[in-house]
Amino acid sequence: EPEVTQTPSHQVTQMGQEVILRCVPISNHLYFYWYRQILGQKVEFLVSFYNNEISEKSEIFDDQFSVERPDGSNFTLKIRSTKLEDSAMYFCASSEISGTVSGNTIYFGEGSWLTVV
Amino acid sequence: AQSVTQLGSHVSVSEGALVLLRCNYSSSVPPYLFWYVQYPNQGLQLLLKYTTGATLVKGINGFEAEFKKSETSFHLTKPSAHMSDAAEYFCAVTVHRGSTLGRLYFGRGTQLTVWP
Repeated sequence: EPEVTQTPSHQVTQMGQEVILRCVPISNHLYFYWYRQILGQKVEFLVSFYNNEISEKSEIFDDQFSVERPDGSNFTLKIRSTKLEDSAMYFCASSEISGTVSGNTIYFGEGSWLTVV
Repeated sequence: AQSVTQLGSHVSVSEGALVLLRCNYSSSVPPYLFWYVQYPNQGLQLLLKYTTGATLVKGINGFEAEFKKSETSFHLTKPSAHMSDAAEYFCAVTVHRGSTLGRLYFGRGTQLTVWP
């Protein structure tokens, strides 16, 4: 079964460092997303991306964050200068465009644990 | 905006017993509702979804959920729990946005423990 793959599975970084989380969405999908889950809290939406541009972003997704689709397969989330509060599990997700919206499903990857120290 | 409340952060059942995980949503427009499951050290896997049509939806692994608009609920059930059902379960809501779905709003999750 096709799946969303994410790397790295776990990364430890020092505060202030830049981090890039990578994702390979399902191959025929056109919508891409990043969500995060801080330990003990809800899974939260960060950003959605379609047609090479951000289609929606949350208030969490400030200037420290950016997303990019550098080639035909990868989708990346960059955190420019990490803070302690960025420690979380980051989930990439993707969705197809079906004939009807009701046919759409959002598929998630296994997540990347980011620990900022 | 939409929101989801999952009642009970932990639910414990015996193997073979009924599983009932509660989810209530808030949405000013017709919602799309999802249940995801997260097994240890794995990602979020879709169990089932409600978009339109039949209010009782069946998912994988014997789970089903019923959309009740009058109660703004989308509770997840399984008639007979299995040890392999032990996981964290997330309810999520979204709405139609253009040609696709909007952002998902998740509940806090319910950890299901199954005792032998």
